Amino acid sequence: QSVLIQPPSASGTPGQRFTISCSGSSSNLGRNTVNWYQQFPGTAPKLLIYRNDQRQSGIPDRFSGSKSGTSASLAISALHSDDEADYYCAAWDDSLNAWVFGGGTKLTVL
Amino acid sequence: QVQLVQSGAEVKRPGASVKVFCKTSGYMFITYYVHWVRQAPGQGLEWVGTINPSGTTTTYAHKFQGRVTVTKDTSTNTVFMELSSLRSDDTAVYYCGRGRLEYSIRGGFDLWGQGTPVTVSS
Repeated sequence: QSVLIQPPSASGTPGQRFTISCSGSSSNLGRNTVNWYQQFPGTAPKLLIYRNDQRQSGIPDRFSGSKSGTSASLAISALHSDDEADYYCAAWDDSLNAWVFGGGTKLTVL
Repeated sequence: QVQLVQSGAEVKRPGASVKVFCKTSGYMFITYYVHWVRQAPGQGLEWVGTINPSGTTTTYAHKFQGRVTVTKDTSTNTVFMELSSLRSDDTAVYYCGRGRLEYSIRGGFDLWGQGTPVTVSS
């Protein structure tokens, strides 16, 4: 069981607005910022969003992030077929003194 | 440009140790933490630990303490991760990742190595 909780899978259609949730606790999302990563099969993860809502260089503005309290969200404003990937949230946990990840959300674009 | 290049695939017996390296280039080595994250087949990402290249401080996830050692060689800008007493559930791809913020463990990871598959099997 991951410390940060994400839905394991989700699907959407091209052009649709899409959101992935990430739920944590006071020791991680409640005190620290969240990062979001995208991973395609067989490749290393790629940083999409850091410090809750900052897009990493080169990431399209279709991707955005937000955080409120102990929950965070990654939004994709208009789904493309090549957005089909796994998405992970991550945050520092002050109680565990460790980085913690969500279990990942597998996004399927129908 | 910034690069993190990892060592090749390993196959080990249960109970053995494995040592994987991550050779960095394109930036000032002592400025950024280097983290290790693993991913078992079909599973999610799991943080293993990290080292502060400007000193010798290491921080490990609780479940790996006592079995993992992360070290560095400043002369070659390389970080090593050794995992001992291997079990079958240590089978995973091990990634190194550069810390996002200078001199901080808390920024997360912005650039990654290509991954090193480690298989533990009798």
